[in-house]
Amino acid sequence: SQTIHQWPATLVQPVGSPLSLECTVEGTSNPNLYWYRQAAGRGLQLLFYSIGIDQISSEVPQNLSASRPQDRQFILSSKKLLLSDSGFYLCAWSPLVPYGYTFGSGTRLTVV
Amino acid sequence: GENVEQHPSTLSVQEGDSAVIKCTYSDSASNYFPWYKQELGKRPQLIIDIRSNVGEKKDQRIAVTLNKTAKHFSLHITETQPEDSAVYFCAASMGGAQKLVFGQGTRLTINP
Repeated sequence: SQTIHQWPATLVQPVGSPLSLECTVEGTSNPNLYWYRQAAGRGLQLLFYSIGIDQISSEVPQNLSASRPQDRQFILSSKKLLLSDSGFYLCAWSPLVPYGYTFGSGTRLTVV
Repeated sequence: GENVEQHPSTLSVQEGDSAVIKCTYSDSASNYFPWYKQELGKRPQLIIDIRSNVGEKKDQRIAVTLNKTAKHFSLHITETQPEDSAVYFCAASMGGAQKLVFGQGTRLTINP
């Protein structure tokens, strides 16, 4: 069966520091991969999605970037964090055919 | 692009009563409509979904209806129980990268 791993679970980072969140999927090939952010008590905002290696699309202009160095690995990065980057970051995957996402367990990021 | 509106933002019902959450979408090409349940601090989890070639789908106490003409779909929960208390999100997507656009969420509270 397919599983999705996301780490770390929590992170407290100072303003201006770099960020790297990692997500990996097991048990499937060529998944669609997504990064979402959820501000406290708010909805799910799509940040990036990828349909293949090195194929990344950005939904919202911001100081974050994403990379997919391997088929089942998706990385969210920032060179300099802002206070507004705080939130609950969720990685998700879906197969190519229309199907619901499976979300990772999330990373709660607090920028101080 | 797709836009999904969800109502109400909060809903409080007595245990045993029914709850209904409604969503509208803007893009008539959308063909897949999942519903997610998110408990406090946890990841969203898929509870039911429906495709554009189906008008209604039921799974035990949960049902979803879709009206393609009016571009709206609804979640129905019958015989509500305390464990149904959570935030519920609707979403819509269409082919290609299967990007899910989420509604703003409904906080459902079941009162004993």
